[in-house]
Amino acid sequence: ELKVEQNPLFLSMQEGKNYTIYCNYSTTSDRLYWYRQDPGKSLESLFVLLSNGAVKQEGRLMASLDTKARLSTLHITAAVHDLSATYFCAVDMISGYALNFGKGTSLLVTP
Amino acid sequence: SAVISQKPSRDICQRGTSLTIQCQVDSQVTMMFWYRQQPGQSLTLIATANQGSEATYESGFVIDKFPISRPNLTFSTLTVSNMSPEDSSIYLCSVGRGTYQETQYFGPGTRLLVL
Repeated sequence: ELKVEQNPLFLSMQEGKNYTIYCNYSTTSDRLYWYRQDPGKSLESLFVLLSNGAVKQEGRLMASLDTKARLSTLHITAAVHDLSATYFCAVDMISGYALNFGKGTSLLVTP
Repeated sequence: SAVISQKPSRDICQRGTSLTIQCQVDSQVTMMFWYRQQPGQSLTLIATANQGSEATYESGFVIDKFPISRPNLTFSTLTVSNMSPEDSSIYLCSVGRGTYQETQYFGPGTRLLVL
């Protein structure tokens, strides 16, 4: 069974600080996804990481993938309040293209 | 990208009744997926729906409870049958884009409350 574990599950950080969210998964997968979800909203695609060593950046967010370690990170640089949301990582299921999600990291950025 | 719409956006239903959720995509897709997000939880795959074949259900989900239709390449429905309060969730459809479905987009979701 494919397991996807995120940590931390809850994160409160001050504006201007840096932090990293970790996503571990239990079996081989070539694709790792990061999504953002605002309260009451659907999921917004942030990054798709397709190969070992992939690194993608968008604004204050940077995601990386290490397929050998089965680890992805989402790094937040100089956090701002607008980044407050829940962040999910997800991995392709073994049986097809559907996704297996982590539990999500609820991020709150405070002044 | 993909533009996905769902109907209804939300509903309040009585236990024992059924609700059919529609998912419409702006262009043809091979695979559509239905997920459930229980309150405060992550997303769990219910089933994969391919046009022209029976939906494939994940462990814990059965066709009698969650029948799915996929009549064409842009549309699918999910029915939540004989509802109980435990079915209160957000139901989301998603589609893949790319040769290997490498990018996946989600619809806005249907928020269901069962009383």
